[in-house]
Amino acid sequence: GAVVSQHPSWVICKSGTSVKIECRSLDFQATTMFWYRQFPKQSLMLMATSNEGSKATYEQGVEKDKFLINHASLTLSTLTVTSAHPEDSSFYICSARDPAIQAQYFGPGTRLTVL
Amino acid sequence: KQEVTQIPAALSVPEGENLVLNCSFTDSAIYNLQWFRQDPGKGLTSLLLIQSSQREQTSGRLNASLDKSSGRSTLYIAASQPGDSATYLCAALGGYNKLIFGAGTRLAVHP
Repeated sequence: GAVVSQHPSWVICKSGTSVKIECRSLDFQATTMFWYRQFPKQSLMLMATSNEGSKATYEQGVEKDKFLINHASLTLSTLTVTSAHPEDSSFYICSARDPAIQAQYFGPGTRLTVL
Repeated sequence: KQEVTQIPAALSVPEGENLVLNCSFTDSAIYNLQWFRQDPGKGLTSLLLIQSSQREQTSGRLNASLDKSSGRSTLYIAASQPGDSATYLCAALGGYNKLIFGAGTRLAVHP
């Protein structure tokens, strides 16, 4: 299947700092990318849909000023967790949709720990 | 509103058994249905994608079927191996451009 990369794979930061996570689609140009959050032993929770060149669409209950999403090119989307707090600690997974077949491919995830 | 349900929630089988994982969805107006595998602490690996016009897809020991009219999909795993142990997720792509996930089936294959 297609490859979606994420960087970093894990990050530990102090409370109050900001963390940027990158998501890259390596095999195709993705007009639409997605950011998910996953809590232990739970399924994925969609946070926002990112469209290249336009503002992200956030799901209900997700703070857009806290989770900044930028989709500057057809192969790169970034999620910045601003002023991170311990409750933001989670597993964040990005996904890119192949427009040719509407299949969605997922990155390996980023484990964020806020101290 | 689309809802996706997976049964069973967990499954433990001895190596070599053939398995069937079930997925049902409430809204039959879907574009496609995907099956994924997730290992602990990892992202999702796409296993099979079935477009709405298709009835099944096969990859190696995996076979997925889709019956839109009844709102069901099944993932068949032949000759299971310990390396198949993981959580299997199905997800339907419908309106609103979003994948709707089931809660997953946790599979354990023991030697």
